[in-house]
Amino acid sequence: TQLLEQSPQFLSIQEGENLTVYCNSSSVFSSLQWYRQEPGEGPVLLVTVVTGGEVKKLKRLTFQFGDARKDSSLHITAAQPGDTGLYLCAGRPRSNSGGSNYKLTFGKGTLLTVNP
Amino acid sequence: GAGVSQSPSNKVTEKGKDVELRCDPISGHTALYWYRQSLGQGLEFLIYFQGNSAPDKSGLPSDRFSAERTGGSVSTLTIQRTQQEDSAVYLCASSSGTSAYNEQFFGPGTRLTVL
Repeated sequence: TQLLEQSPQFLSIQEGENLTVYCNSSSVFSSLQWYRQEPGEGPVLLVTVVTGGEVKKLKRLTFQFGDARKDSSLHITAAQPGDTGLYLCAGRPRSNSGGSNYKLTFGKGTLLTVNP
Repeated sequence: GAGVSQSPSNKVTEKGKDVELRCDPISGHTALYWYRQSLGQGLEFLIYFQGNSAPDKSGLPSDRFSAERTGGSVSTLTIQRTQQEDSAVYLCASSSGTSAYNEQFFGPGTRLTVL
């Protein structure tokens, strides 16, 4: 079983602060995605990272895929109340043939609250 | 809109009853997934449909769970003889393919409560 551990599980910060959430595993993933989920809604994709060491930026959000493709981080600069939500990482395991597997393994998520 | 829709949005049932949850994927999407999200847990994979291929049922937790996808579009997840531990949000997602960059589009989920 390939597990993704997310930390912290809960995070409450003030508007304008910076934060980083982590997604770690002992397994290698062919790709990793970050989703954000708001109450009563399904998760919405933020980014997909594929290459080890890859960094992607989406406005105030910076995503990094570890060199060994076993971990990832999400950094938010100057957090806003609108960033509040459940952040989920999801990895696509490598198949036995070395290709990509269609199944996603999800972490339990980081519940972020940004207070005005 | 043209997103993934699920019905009902909420379902309260008594232990031992059967329930059916419906998912309407985005038109043209060949891949359809069902997940279960329990309080404090991540998304747990249940079943995967891809075109006319045999579904991957490896995530179904017991033989009380089954799912169908008719005509390559609408899907129904059925839970027979519901138990209290079945209480969760059931999410459906669809995608146009299964490569690394293919996005899974999620519906809003059905919140199932078993009394």
